[in-house]
Amino acid sequence: SAVISQKPSRDICQRGTSLTIQCQVDSQVTMMFWYRQQPGQSLTLIATANQGSEATYESGFVIDKFPISRPNLTFSTLTVSNMSPEDSSIYLCSVLQGTGELFFGEGSRLTVL
Amino acid sequence: KQEVTQIPAALSVPEGENLVLNCSFTDSAIYNLQWFRQDPGKGLTSLLLIQSSQREQTSGRLNASLDKSSGRSTLYIAASQPGDSATYLCAVRRVSNYQLIWGAGTKLIIKP
Repeated sequence: SAVISQKPSRDICQRGTSLTIQCQVDSQVTMMFWYRQQPGQSLTLIATANQGSEATYESGFVIDKFPISRPNLTFSTLTVSNMSPEDSSIYLCSVLQGTGELFFGEGSRLTVL
Repeated sequence: KQEVTQIPAALSVPEGENLVLNCSFTDSAIYNLQWFRQDPGKGLTSLLLIQSSQREQTSGRLNASLDKSSGRSTLYIAASQPGDSATYLCAVRRVSNYQLIWGAGTKLIIKP
């Protein structure tokens, strides 16, 4: 199974600032995703991080608010821009292995004041 | 449209009991179904993956079954322990567009 490291694990940020979350995988993976989990809710897919090209965003999420980079097959970043309290969530990086099994990082818990 | 439902939403049982968590889905055209656990404020841990051609998967005290025709999966936990306390989520991957549909989860509390 893939081992996924996310940084930071948690952060408290001020309104209007931006935060970049890093995701490092211990092996090369083709499919990498970013999810958001708002308090008390299930997971919502933000985007698929594509290596060497622009991410594919789900309905309701835009590149200006959640820019994503994927420079290689083991690393990705998600930036939450111009944050508001409504962005307070757990942000999760995940990878899909060839077996069809999805693995997640430990999550980054973001609180916006 | 695929919908995934998990019942019950919450469950509290004494330590040592065997228990069953349920996951139902409305469209039987699935690629696979995966069970996860999530501890508070943490990421998700994959427990079991069942491919559409499989009927069950086992890992330690966990057994997951899949009945596509009835649109159901169950997660059986034997000899429950306080460390099993977590939220358990099931997710179904659709054949049509490979989209993953999530259940809302079952919050499990095992009382010592």
